[in-house]
Amino acid sequence: DGGITQSPKYLFRKEGQNVTLSCEQNLNHDAMYWYRQDPGQGLRLIYYSQIVNDFQKGDIAEGYSVSREKKESFPLTVTSAQKNPTAFYLCASSIGSGTGGGWTDTQYFGPGTRLTVL
Amino acid sequence: SQQGEEDPQALSIQEGENATMNCSYKTSINNLQWYRQNSGRGLVHLILIRSNEREKHSGRLRVTLDTSKKSSSLLITASRAADTASYFCATDGGGATNKLIFGTGTLLAVQP
Repeated sequence: DGGITQSPKYLFRKEGQNVTLSCEQNLNHDAMYWYRQDPGQGLRLIYYSQIVNDFQKGDIAEGYSVSREKKESFPLTVTSAQKNPTAFYLCASSIGSGTGGGWTDTQYFGPGTRLTVL
Repeated sequence: SQQGEEDPQALSIQEGENATMNCSYKTSINNLQWYRQNSGRGLVHLILIRSNEREKHSGRLRVTLDTSKKSSSLLITASRAADTASYFCATDGGGATNKLIFGTGTLLAVQP
């Protein structure tokens, strides 16, 4: 089955701890994204990567870090510097060929990770 | 920053009725997409409409786009209880990246 997976589904963290959320895709997509969703709100972009070994900050990157060492994987670390990390985190991927072509790819989303800071 | 705003924020209808939700955005776009999110799940892509298109259909979905008013609407005909979900519009902001900017969403409840 092709798709995008996130783990774990639920994550609990004590204040002051870093945690890493996993995102893996086997769709052979170049581009990957991390979003944060708070209750009753839309998605806000944290980081995105259009190619391996390259990534850019989104709108709310402070307190988060990412890496893109493999095409299939785009882990997100929520650091202790993130003041309000409790949220639903969504990872997505897209083909990545739309850049500059006047159109934007469809994004395929994982099932999400719900992070709660205790 | 959020580009789009959906209206209404919440909508409750009976099965069989049509549901219309609207999206307004701020800057020029290359295309606009609609996504659906079931509670506690990831988003699923529904339909994409390009800036040079005015209307698009997919099954029971009909999307319109008015670039002069910077607005789009999503119509779901003959709704079913399974259509209960949040619906989001997303735009590319007219830029040369693959970034999407999501609206705030409309929560649709279809009563059986």
